[in-house]
Amino acid sequence: EAGVAQSPRYKIIEKRQSVAFWCNPISGHATLYWYQQILGQGPKLLIQFQNNGVVDDSQLPKDRFSAERLKGVDSTLKIQPAKLEDSAVYLCASSLSGRRNNEQFFGPGTRLTVL
Amino acid sequence: SQQGEEDPQALSIQEGENATMNCSYKTSINNLQWYRQNSGRGLVHLILIRSNEREKHSGRLRVTLDTSKKSSSLLITASRAADTASYFCATAVDSNYQLIWGAGTKLIIKP
Repeated sequence: EAGVAQSPRYKIIEKRQSVAFWCNPISGHATLYWYQQILGQGPKLLIQFQNNGVVDDSQLPKDRFSAERLKGVDSTLKIQPAKLEDSAVYLCASSLSGRRNNEQFFGPGTRLTVL
Repeated sequence: SQQGEEDPQALSIQEGENATMNCSYKTSINNLQWYRQNSGRGLVHLILIRSNEREKHSGRLRVTLDTSKKSSSLLITASRAADTASYFCATAVDSNYQLIWGAGTKLIIKP
């Protein structure tokens, strides 16, 4: 079974530039999550999708971050403009559902460095 | 907001010894999950224990849950070098089953 795919794996940008991350979840998984993980900390949920609808985006800095999952499969997360404090690993995860048995499967992440 | 807190923050033991990590949380939960993160394999689910369960085993892993104390422990027996990683507990809270993560325990297994 193919896992969660993410690209790119690494990205270095200047502050105020924009960047986009892509995620393809495990086939058949209805729920997709984007997390931000700062070095030395646990993952912080940015946004959760159920199929192509947003379940929770309460911790997404909407002035600069946006995410979409148009066809209920793959998803993109965008930052525009980036700030120094956005330097982190961005993790995408998926699960069969957002409810019971909600084991999450993670992609390898995208390490973002903002200079 | 942080729900779970792992203890200790870091742990270094000799290969073959047992490693115990603890997690405390604040609100009632549906389940608690342990994940491992290392540079080679990323973040991987280890075990899920439901709020009505007290103990669960998976290979060399043993997880306990005490809902009265709002705490859980992860025991890794007969540790191996490959167990070197950060271990996170994540709680699925009652209202929406979203996972809230602790800051992790960094485990180092010395050969």
